[in-house]
Amino acid sequence: DAKTTQPNSMESNEEEPVHLPCNHSTISGTDYIHWYRQLPSQGPEYVIHGLTSNVNNRMASLAIAEDRKSSTLILHRATLRDAAVYYCILRDPGNQFYFGTGTSLTVIP
Amino acid sequence: ETGVTQTPRHLVMGMTNKKSLKCEQHLGHNAMYWYKQSAKKPLELMFVYNFKEQTENNSVPSRFSPECPNSSHLFLHLHTLQPEDSALYLCASSQEGGYNSPLHFGNGTRLTVT
Repeated sequence: DAKTTQPNSMESNEEEPVHLPCNHSTISGTDYIHWYRQLPSQGPEYVIHGLTSNVNNRMASLAIAEDRKSSTLILHRATLRDAAVYYCILRDPGNQFYFGTGTSLTVIP
Repeated sequence: ETGVTQTPRHLVMGMTNKKSLKCEQHLGHNAMYWYKQSAKKPLELMFVYNFKEQTENNSVPSRFSPECPNSSHLFLHLHTLQPEDSALYLCASSQEGGYNSPLHFGNGTRLTVT
């Protein structure tokens, strides 16, 4: 049921920006793009979501391609506390949240 | 700090035991969910409740029995489990009525079946 594709793992240096990609080529016009992250020994945590326009909040930015077939989660300055598994998920009115395997982000001091 | 509380955090049970997992949300949401997270596998949606009514059962074996007495509480009753049921069980809530409403998760119950 996973309709998104993400790299299995990525690395980033501390205090540098991180761009986490997600492909969702079968996205429909009513699907929202959600991002969550899961820190070790915790449940997933909501990060950000959007439909068509780029979105910013205190945690991250979400850049959505013009054709909506891909999106990028941007952490502006990675910290060691950002090391987690990041999930990109699509949600539409008829479906629930289905998670893929996500991207495991390692932050290097 | 989470608005969704799960108890217990850890549970070890034998295959013949009966136990229950509890979830409580303090966010005023009207939808609650059970997910299963096994090692190296994606989160699997198990059950969904909207306004206390079960709206989804994702082909879950009958040895897992959910209960939602009100919009703030959700239980997962367990009986005659198998070792492969060992996993992290996560509860979540959301405010339905708009499908852009995010999920809020608890920190899960780590279940070990011996």
